[in-house]
Parts: sequence; C-alpha cells; structure tokens
Amino acid sequence: ELKVEQNPLFLSMQEGKNYTIYCNYSTTSDRLYWYRQDPGKSLESLFVLLSNGAVKQEGRLMASLDTKARLSTLHITAAVHDLSATYFCAVDHNNDMRFGAGTRLTVKP
Amino acid sequence: GAVVSQHPSWVICKSGTSVKIECRSLDFQATTMFWYRQFPKQSLMLMATSNEGSKATYEQGVEKDKFLINHASLTLSTLTVTSAHPEDSSFYICSARDQEFDYEQYFGPGTRLTVT
Repeated sequence: ELKVEQNPLFLSMQEGKNYTIYCNYSTTSDRLYWYRQDPGKSLESLFVLLSNGAVKQEGRLMASLDTKARLSTLHITAAVHDLSATYFCAVDHNNDMRFGAGTRLTVKP
Repeated sequence: GAVVSQHPSWVICKSGTSVKIECRSLDFQATTMFWYRQFPKQSLMLMATSNEGSKATYEQGVEKDKFLINHASLTLSTLTVTSAHPEDSSFYICSARDQEFDYEQYFGPGTRLTVT
C-alpha cells in the first residue's frame, strides 16, 4: 500500500526565514503534487512534479523531486504571513492518489 | 485554468435522509473523478474513484451501498450519502482528472455536510 509521510506536521516560523517541508513516499511513482489549503477551503494546486530531478518555483515556494530517494521537498524562502496555510503533498501511483498528513504552517510577523 | 464545481457548497440534513452532491468539470472532459472526505484538521481520505460509464472503485472501509457514486458523463459525477448519520458529517471534496492532460487533477471547492 502506498504511504506518504510528511514532516513536520506543524511549522511556526518568523517572517523572512527559510524552511523546508519534506514528503517521503513508499512506492515508485513519477507524479508528485503539492497543494495548499486555507481554512474552510478546498485545495489549491501549487506544483506537479513528473520526473526525477524536477524542480519548480513559484514566488517564495520551490518544489523538487528525487524519485530514487522517493522524496520531495517544498522550500519556503523569506516567508511572509500570506503563506500561512496547510500544505499537502500527494503521490499518484496507478491512479491511486494518496495524501500526506499535511503541514500546518504559521508565519508570524 | 480548468474549473471543477461542486453543488451544494454546504448542506444540513437530518439523520436518516439522503443527500446528493454533484461534481462537474466545467471546461474539460474528465474520464476519472475522485471523491475524498476530510475531517477537521485531518488530511484528505480517498473514498472512491469514479470512471465514466463504469462502476466506481471504493477504498477499503468505504461502504458502497451507503456512498453511491454515479459518473453519468464525462463532466458529471454524483455522490449520494444514503441514510445519513451524524458521523457522516464531513467536508467532501471531488476532483477530476483532465482527459487530455491526465497528470493534472483539479479539485472542486468542497461540500460541507452536517447531519443533525
């Protein structure tokens, strides 16, 4: 069974600081997704990573994928308050999509 | 970008009644749609995968007779919660996979169900 582990589960950081969220998964997959969820809302797609070594950046967020290590990272650069949300990674294996537990990020001024 | 709608966005019903939730892909065709349930402060749990024109595939532990899924067309899937109980109260989210770009999955805005 495909398992997706995300850490940390909770992250409180100061504005302007950098941090990385990690996503490990148990089965070979070449589709890795990162989503953002605000309270009471659905998911907003951030990144789709489709190949080993893929790196994508949007604003202060950068995601990477290492399929050999079965690891994806979401790096936050110079955090701002607007980034406060819950971030999920998800892995797709044979049309079976599994989500990590989520990382609840709080950025403090 | 591709849009997935859900209706209703929230619903309150009494125990024992049934509730239907619609999921529509508005500007693309979706051969596969997914239904998720999310409890407060938890992750999304896949309930079932719905393919157009065929029976849905349910995850282990999800009662197919209680959560009826119909994927009638390439743009519409419905989830009916039958004989609802308070423990069915949750946030239900659908997603749709683009037939043309099948690595993309678009999420609906969710339906908050409260069973009293």
